[in-house]
Amino acid sequence: DTGVSQDPRHKITKRGQNVTFRCDPISEHNRLYWYRQTLGQGPEFLTYFQNEAQLEKSRLLSDRFSAERPKGSFSTLEIQRTEQGDSAMYLCASSHPGAEQYFGPGTRLTVT
Amino acid sequence: GENVEQHPSTLSVQEGDSAVIKCTYSDSASNYFPWYKQELGKGPQLIIDIRSNVGEKKDQRIAVTLNKTAKHFSLHITETQPEDSAVYFCAGNTGFQKLVFGTGTRLLVSP
Repeated sequence: DTGVSQDPRHKITKRGQNVTFRCDPISEHNRLYWYRQTLGQGPEFLTYFQNEAQLEKSRLLSDRFSAERPKGSFSTLEIQRTEQGDSAMYLCASSHPGAEQYFGPGTRLTVT
Repeated sequence: GENVEQHPSTLSVQEGDSAVIKCTYSDSASNYFPWYKQELGKGPQLIIDIRSNVGEKKDQRIAVTLNKTAKHFSLHITETQPEDSAVYFCAGNTGFQKLVFGTGTRLLVSP
């Protein structure tokens, strides 16, 4: 059984560039979540999908952020016009509805 | 919305001792409380969870207790080992949707 996978694991980008991250959930899970974690803090919820439908978005998800899950399998998170404040670990998790969430290894973003 | 507070922020114990981490939550509608262990450079790993219809749950050296009236829950690790050293996060959840995390406890187990 493969767990949640994320790609890339690390990304360094210059301020103003666009970046895209990918998450592949556990295959039979139809819920997929994105969280952001800054140094020394717990993960903070960004958004989640049930199948291809995006059901909730946090106020943290500004209009520079967009997430998709077009076929209800993998998901992408895009950040446009990155800012230094976007530097963080971006975590993906998946679950069955009403069940525990399993996290991937995260993508660490550094904006210079 | 839900707010989860966690303490202590750091905890140092000797190998073999017990460790206790405590969390409080604000939303009385929260009904699911997982605990995650996070090692450096890795994603959070679910170690134990408890639902609001249960007061205590054990899994080998790890136990979680829940007091719904007081709105607090605790993680207990017995016979600690150096490999238990990590950051531990509690979380609360309403309706099994988004998780709201505490700020974490850095546990250091010294040999």
